[in-house]
Amino acid sequence: EAGVTQFPSHSVIEKGQTVTLRCDPISGHDNLYWYRRVMGKEIKFLLHFVKESKQDESGMPNNRFLAERTGGTYSTLKVQPAELEDSGVYFCASSRQDQETQYFGPGTRLLVL
Amino acid sequence: QKEVEQDPGPLSVPEGAIVSLNCTYSNSAFQYFMWYRQYSRKGPELLMYTYSSGNKEDGRFTAQVDKSSKYISLFIRDSQPSDSATYLCAMKGIQGAQKLVFGQGTRLTINP
Repeated sequence: EAGVTQFPSHSVIEKGQTVTLRCDPISGHDNLYWYRRVMGKEIKFLLHFVKESKQDESGMPNNRFLAERTGGTYSTLKVQPAELEDSGVYFCASSRQDQETQYFGPGTRLLVL
Repeated sequence: QKEVEQDPGPLSVPEGAIVSLNCTYSNSAFQYFMWYRQYSRKGPELLMYTYSSGNKEDGRFTAQVDKSSKYISLFIRDSQPSDSATYLCAMKGIQGAQKLVFGQGTRLTINP
């Protein structure tokens, strides 16, 4: 069974540019989560999809962040325009319906200069 | 105040030692407690998962939860250099799909 995959693994952009991160969950996992870790801080929740619906987006920092999961398969997280404080590692995780265990991807390391 | 407090370390111990990693939390609604291991440049990998209070053992790893003290621990026996990683505690309140609240992670090095 393939794990959660994320693309790209690294991204370096300039302030004001747009970046789109992609997450492919484990096949059959209805739940998809986005988390972020900024340097020196803990991993923090951003949002949770159940299939294509946003179940909880309480962790989204502001309206520069837009997450989608069209068709309930892969998800994208777009940051537009990017700011310096958006730098960090963005993790995606997935789980089966009502499953406690969340499986994490390797993360996308975003650096905004 | 953070919901989950975890000493970031770093913690360095000799091979074969018993390692104790801990987290405290403030939200009494937390019922599910996890320990994740994260190697450098990788995503977190679930090690142990415990519901409510008590102990759970899996090989060299033991997880303990004391809800009365809002304190959780992970013990590693006969530590190996391959155990060197960052250990993250995480917790959530209700059964089923829900966001995890993480501690900062403790960076552990096992010296041969």
